Amino acid sequence: GAVVSQHPSRVICKSGTSVKIECRSLDFQATTMFWYRQFPKQSLMLMATSNEGSKATYEQGVEKDKFLINHASLTLSTLTVTSAHPEDSSFYICSARDGLAVQETQYFGPGTRLLVL
Amino acid sequence: KQEVTQIPAALSVPEGENLVLNCSFTDSAIYNLQWFRQDPGKGLTSLLLIQSSQREQTSGRLNASLDKSSGRSTLYIAASQPGDSATYLCAGGASGSARQLTFGSGTQLTVLP
Repeated sequence: GAVVSQHPSRVICKSGTSVKIECRSLDFQATTMFWYRQFPKQSLMLMATSNEGSKATYEQGVEKDKFLINHASLTLSTLTVTSAHPEDSSFYICSARDGLAVQETQYFGPGTRLLVL
Repeated sequence: KQEVTQIPAALSVPEGENLVLNCSFTDSAIYNLQWFRQDPGKGLTSLLLIQSSQREQTSGRLNASLDKSSGRSTLYIAASQPGDSATYLCAGGASGSARQLTFGSGTQLTVLP
């Protein structure tokens, strides 16, 4: 089946630093990738939708200057949390949609746990 | 804007029992409805996907149904096992070109041995 990887799986950083999270589709080309955030005991909240080669579309309330998304190729999207603060600590999950698949299922990465001190 | 609700928030059952998880959505113009499983601290595993033109999908002990007119979906788990313990999330896929998913808050299932 389709596999999506995320790197790193967990990261601890100091307040004010920037953190980059990578999301890769390993055996298919992802026309669209999605970034979600999940706080403890809560569900996934969509942050942004990105298409290869174009600017990401951010959901209401998500600061695009703080959460920079780059979708440089059909297999790689990156999320950079700029000037991270403790309230940005969360579980970040990406997903990728195989544009050639009939059912257009989204395949999810294993997530990245971010802790900002 | 699509809203997805799941009840109950938590459920505990003895091993071997059949159970039903409920999901409701406000916008019936969904493209598809997916059920996922999430283990603690882990990502999501896709269980079943129902297209808007379908009424149900089955995989092993799992059966998911979709009733667009009433805005409801159910996930039926037969002969539950302790390994089924996890949080189950349903998500409605938007009909737009990006097919964004709107997630419910999940049902935390515990199957007692």
